[in-house]
Amino acid sequence: SQQGEEDPQALSIQEGENATMNCSYKTSINNLQWYRQNSGRGLVHLILIRSNEREKHSGRLRVTLDTSKKSSSLLITASRAADTASYFCATLRRGSGGYQKVTFGIGTKLQVIP
Amino acid sequence: DTAVSQTPKYLVTQMGNDKSIKCEQNLGHDTMYWYKQDSKKFLKIMFSYNNKELIINETVPNRFSPKSPDKAHLNLHINSLELGDSAVYFCASSQGGGHYTEAFFGQGTRLTVV
Repeated sequence: SQQGEEDPQALSIQEGENATMNCSYKTSINNLQWYRQNSGRGLVHLILIRSNEREKHSGRLRVTLDTSKKSSSLLITASRAADTASYFCATLRRGSGGYQKVTFGIGTKLQVIP
Repeated sequence: DTAVSQTPKYLVTQMGNDKSIKCEQNLGHDTMYWYKQDSKKFLKIMFSYNNKELIINETVPNRFSPKSPDKAHLNLHINSLELGDSAVYFCASSQGGGHYTEAFFGQGTRLTVV
């Protein structure tokens, strides 16, 4: 299985509700990032949480990181129709000699119904 | 100014052809990547270059040959295109690999092989 697996793979909620997406990974990481991708578009960086952080907020976004469980969650509060998109978590690992690797999960497809 | 730019945005070509996708980043980053996003939206890393040196090659067919003329550019050349190569290809860059390292993505190149 892949580093960075999101759960659920698809989520449909009513506008105004909160949306929670989870991500699990396998190896040690330097940080974990969440991205949004609207249909047919590029990746938009949402938030980065460092491996020594446990929680981070940005507007309506709240990210948690549990390195002991190798998992992260993204909470979008008071969802809007415009939040409809696919959400990916990505882990950054760094090795010796400049090695950097950003690995993505399979994504959660969020639909917010007006 | 666009941080990571790739060209072309769309590419439609016949099986057996050879094509190239170009990527440039103006962020001064030391690492660049190519990712392939398939029809199921899974983002899979293909290559990573650090300071013009190949660091990661994720079992990609040797019909795919990345070339990094300098730190700011990572081009992807594909020989003898096959139907299964149809996907969206994303270029990305990052710097340092530390806790604050964020990966920046281009807008993607949608390759369709007919």
